[in-house]
Amino acid sequence: DAGITQSPRHKVTETGTPVTLRCHQTENHRYMYWYRQDPGHGLRLIHYSYGVKDTDKGEVSDGYSVSRSKTEDFLLTLESATSSQTSVYFCAISEESEQYFGPGTRLTVT
Amino acid sequence: SQQGEEDPQALSIQEGENATMNCSYKTSINNLQWYRQNSGRGLVHLILIRSNEREKHSGRLRVTLDTSKKSSSLLITASRAADTASYFCATDAGSNYKLTFGKGTLLTVNP
Repeated sequence: DAGITQSPRHKVTETGTPVTLRCHQTENHRYMYWYRQDPGHGLRLIHYSYGVKDTDKGEVSDGYSVSRSKTEDFLLTLESATSSQTSVYFCAISEESEQYFGPGTRLTVT
Repeated sequence: SQQGEEDPQALSIQEGENATMNCSYKTSINNLQWYRQNSGRGLVHLILIRSNEREKHSGRLRVTLDTSKKSSSLLITASRAADTASYFCATDAGSNYKLTFGKGTLLTVNP
């Protein structure tokens, strides 16, 4: 998985609780992305980063925030988890257009 | 909104046969890419074709791009059971190398 890890790999949480997912890379790539994958929707971009402390919104950013304080880590926070945020979350990295994906985090919000 | 749309949604073939998947998109692009996803795993990059290219090969993969029709096809020749996976097209149409993915084609190769 090209030096990308995601933690946790699985999480079950309750509605209304905050949740933080971590993406860690050892490739020193500039760009990092968070996607969610849901049946019938494919992958949708949540947020992305184009450098340390440089982030921007993707297609489905409502209810999510991100932070990137150092090159290797990109954090995704669900401020107050809802059942609609039950999904599989993938992190990806790139230096140019081709992206490398992490193994995913399966999040269930009950 | 989805930029790329794959067709068919599902494809079932026998080992040794060729598999063809199509992707249509809506706007001008910098490049188009194909990814594979095995069940429960992350996506793996297969091939990238730039907007000024018409055809590209990589091993048993052949990709074509028709920018006038805004469409691409992925051909897998002499398929194997290990090719069973979902295949996604993704378009790079803007800045910061953001990709827009289609919903994917589920390919099943029967031994």
